Amino acid sequence: AQSVTQPDIHITVSEGASLELRCNYSYGATPYLFWYVQSPGQGLQLLLKYFSGDTLVQGIKGFEAEFKRSQSSFNLRKPSVHWSDAAEYFCAVGVSYSGGGADGLTFGKGTHLIIQP
Amino acid sequence: DTAVSQTPKYLVTQMGNDKSIKCEQNLGHDTMYWYKQDSKKFLKIMFSYNNKELIINETVPNRFSPKSPDKAHLNLHINSLELGDSAVYFCASSQGLAGQETQYFGPGTRLLVL
Repeated sequence: AQSVTQPDIHITVSEGASLELRCNYSYGATPYLFWYVQSPGQGLQLLLKYFSGDTLVQGIKGFEAEFKRSQSSFNLRKPSVHWSDAAEYFCAVGVSYSGGGADGLTFGKGTHLIIQP
Repeated sequence: DTAVSQTPKYLVTQMGNDKSIKCEQNLGHDTMYWYKQDSKKFLKIMFSYNNKELIINETVPNRFSPKSPDKAHLNLHINSLELGDSAVYFCASSQGLAGQETQYFGPGTRLLVL
C-alpha cells in the first residue's frame, strides 16, 4: 500500500530565510505527487504537482519541488519565506484504486510551518 | 463563484443524532470525494464517487452514507453520531478518474459531537 511520510511535524523559519519541507513516499508504480497548503481554518489549496517529465516543478507563491526517484522524495522549497506562508503543508500521492480508476489522495501527516519575524 | 462549496461550515450536535453535510461543485467535474481530517490534522479519504457511482469506500463505518443526486453534488449523511466523529470533513472534486488529476477542495465542515 502507498504511504507518505513527512518527517518534520513543525518547522520554524525566519522571515526571508529559505525553506525546505521534506516528503518521502512509498508506492509501487510511478507516483503522482502533490503539495497542498492549508491556512488556519481554511481548505486545501494546491501548490504544485508532479506527474512526469522535468523533475523540478514550479508552483504558485514561489514554491518549487524536486522529484528524486532514487530517494523516493518530493521535497518542497522556497528561497525566501514570507509571514503569510505560515500554514500547514501536506504532501500527497495520487493513486488509482482499480484498473486506472480513481483516485483518492494519500496524504502525509503534514508539516506545520511557523515564521519568525 | 466558489468552485467547491460545503454547508454547513460548522455543525455542533449531540451524540446519537443524525446529520447531513452537503457539497456542491460547479467545475463540471466527474469525480467527487469526502475526506476526514482528525484533530491531529491527518487527512484520510472516505469516499469517492464518479458519475454517481461509488468507487472507493475506505473502511468507513456504515453509519456514514454518501449520496450523490447528480454529478455536481455529493452529500454525506451520518447516523447515530459518536464523539469520535468530531473532525473536519472536506469535500473535493476532480475531472476524470486517473490518479494524476488535481483535486479541488471545499472549505471544510467542522463537526463537533458533544
